[in-house]
Amino acid sequence: NAGVMQNPRHLVRRRGQEARLRCSPMKGHSHVYWYRQLPEEGLKFMVYLQKENIIDESGMPKERFSAEFPKEGPSILRIQQVVRGDSAAYFCASSPYNPSPLHFGNGTRLTVT
Amino acid sequence: EDQVTQSPEALRLQEGESSSLNCSYTVSGLRGLFWYRQDPGKGPEFLFTLYSAGEEKEKERLKATLTKKESFLHITAPKPEDSATYLCAVQAGETSGSRLTFGEGTQLTVNP
Repeated sequence: NAGVMQNPRHLVRRRGQEARLRCSPMKGHSHVYWYRQLPEEGLKFMVYLQKENIIDESGMPKERFSAEFPKEGPSILRIQQVVRGDSAAYFCASSPYNPSPLHFGNGTRLTVT
Repeated sequence: EDQVTQSPEALRLQEGESSSLNCSYTVSGLRGLFWYRQDPGKGPEFLFTLYSAGEEKEKERLKATLTKKESFLHITAPKPEDSATYLCAVQAGETSGSRLTFGEGTQLTVNP
C-alpha cells in the first residue's frame, strides 16, 4: 500500500520561473492538503482540496500560487514567478474521510536561486 | 484563531532518561489532537490521535495524554533512534475538513 507520493523531491528554479509540485494521495484517499515548511519554522496550512474542488484556500497567498486536484491524476501546486522567499519544503497530505489523521508525503524541497 | 505552542523547543536526553514534551493549545471546538514524528528530510509520521480530555494512547516507549488545555508526550527509557522532531497539531471546526494546525515542534536528541 503505497504512501503519499510527491515529486520531484528537489526542485531548483531561478527567480521568475514557474514551479510545479505534484502529489499522488494514498489509494482510496480523496482529500488532499498542502503545507509549507520554511527553514526553522513549523508546518503552515496552505490549501485543502477534494476531487475537482478547492474546499479551503485560506492559507495560500492570493497571488502567484494555485492548486488543483483533477478528476484524474495527481494534485498540483503551482507557483508562478517564483521569488527567493518561496524557498521551502512543500508537503502534501491526504486522508480518506473527515475527520481523520493526515498522512504526509516526504515533501518537495524548492530552492529559488 | 487556533494556536498550538510546544515546549521545550529542544531537549537532549541520555539514553534511558525519561522525560515529557508539552503541547498547549487554544482552539474553538477541538475535534482531535495529533502527535507526529518528523525525521530530517522526511514528512511527518503519524503517531497518535486523542479526542477527549482524559484519553491516553501508548505505542512502545511513547505515551500521549490529553487535558482540556494541553497534551503531553511521555517518553520512557528513550533510545537514540527516538531522536527526531515531535510535532503536535490540532484539528478543529466543522468546515475545515481534516485540516491541522501545527506547533513548531520539539527537537529531541537522545545520546547513547
